[in-house]
Amino acid sequence: EDQVTQSPEALRLQEGESSSLNCSYTVSGLRGLFWYRQDPGKGPEFLFTLYSAGEEKEKERLKATLTKKESFLHITAPKPEDSATYLCAVQASGGYQKVTFGTGTKLQVIP
Amino acid sequence: NAGVTQTPKFRVLKTGQSMTLLCAQDMNHEYMYWYRQDPGMGLRLIHYSVGEGTTAKGEVPDGYNVSRLKKQNFLLGLESAAPSQTSVYFCASSEPGTGILGEQFFGPGTRLTVL
Repeated sequence: EDQVTQSPEALRLQEGESSSLNCSYTVSGLRGLFWYRQDPGKGPEFLFTLYSAGEEKEKERLKATLTKKESFLHITAPKPEDSATYLCAVQASGGYQKVTFGTGTKLQVIP
Repeated sequence: NAGVTQTPKFRVLKTGQSMTLLCAQDMNHEYMYWYRQDPGMGLRLIHYSVGEGTTAKGEVPDGYNVSRLKKQNFLLGLESAAPSQTSVYFCASSEPGTGILGEQFFGPGTRLTVL
């Protein structure tokens, strides 16, 4: 069974204090790993897709990386507007192409 | 473009009542999904559709039914609501051309409480 575990559950940072969020996954053949951002009371918003180990994607202060067992979302010099819950999800290759979501990391950036 | 819209935004039901949640998308996407999100749990797939007139069960389909009569609309029905169905429901859509299903566009959600 595909599994996605995110850590930490919650993270509180000072503005400008860089850090990383972790997404560990178990899947029988990875088709894609996805990062989403979810603001309170809203639906998730797609950020990145990573396909293979070693791949990196960047968007503003966010950088996502991928290994064979986990993905990291690095946040450089975060701002209060980066506060949100970040979700990780995986899609297995072959068979029923279900997307499995993790429970998320709630990030709070304090001015 | 409005993207993915959901109605209603909030609803309170009594046990045993029925209701339909409506999802609409204007991106001409083939795939549509219904998820529920509960505290401490990841998004869980209820039902999905790979095209007009087709539907399929996801992880947690019991107690729900769906229909996709038009490509742009995906309806989720609760025939006899139970307190366990108290949740936030999200609709999503994606374009499966590349086979990558995880790049989904989500609606704003419907918060449902069953008393």
